[in-house]
Amino acid sequence: AQSVTQLDSQVPVFEEAPVELRCNYSSSVSVYLFWYVQYPNQGLQLLLKYLSGSTLVESINGFEAEFNKSQTSFHLRKPSVHISDTAEYFCAVSHPYNQGGKLIFGQGTELSVKP
Amino acid sequence: DTGVSQDPRHKITKRGQNVTFRCDPISEHNRLYWYRQTLGQGPEFLTYFQNEAQLEKSRLLSDRFSAERPKGSFSTLEIQRTEQGDSAMYLCASSLSPDPNYGYTFGSGTRLTVV
Repeated sequence: AQSVTQLDSQVPVFEEAPVELRCNYSSSVSVYLFWYVQYPNQGLQLLLKYLSGSTLVESINGFEAEFNKSQTSFHLRKPSVHISDTAEYFCAVSHPYNQGGKLIFGQGTELSVKP
Repeated sequence: DTGVSQDPRHKITKRGQNVTFRCDPISEHNRLYWYRQTLGQGPEFLTYFQNEAQLEKSRLLSDRFSAERPKGSFSTLEIQRTEQGDSAMYLCASSLSPDPNYGYTFGSGTRLTVV
């Protein structure tokens, strides 16, 4: 069975500073990896995903994540955060071929960007 | 297309009452998922449908919970004899395919409070 661990429940950071949100997963088989963002009172939105190929994936708003198979990690980074990045971020995995495409989520990391 | 709609957005109910939530997926999506998200935790998979067939149920879905998707369109999730532990955000998601290249679209959720 797969599991996901987000190592930090809260990350406070000042505006324009870099940030890294950590995610480690456990699985005996290959997985797909995702980062979702949840703004207050909204549903989850897909930020980026790793399916195969290049281990570095990027989002349109400046976030990137790197798949590291040896360390079973998929950390999310942004070189310079904005106030508008304040939200809850969830790392998730799914199994490519069975289990119906369901997602297994981590506990979430609350990113708080301060002016 | 307005995305995935969930109704109601908020529900307060007394312990022991029955509640029903509705999810309207994106019209062409054949897969529909229900997740539960408790405070400070990531979403947890409950069940999913492909068209009208319920293909998997999590062990989290006790016999007080029932989900349906008649005609493969909207879905309902009913909780009978609610308990305080049922208080959570109930999220619905839909997808066109189990292929994660298409990704999920999540609704904004129904927040249930059992008093």
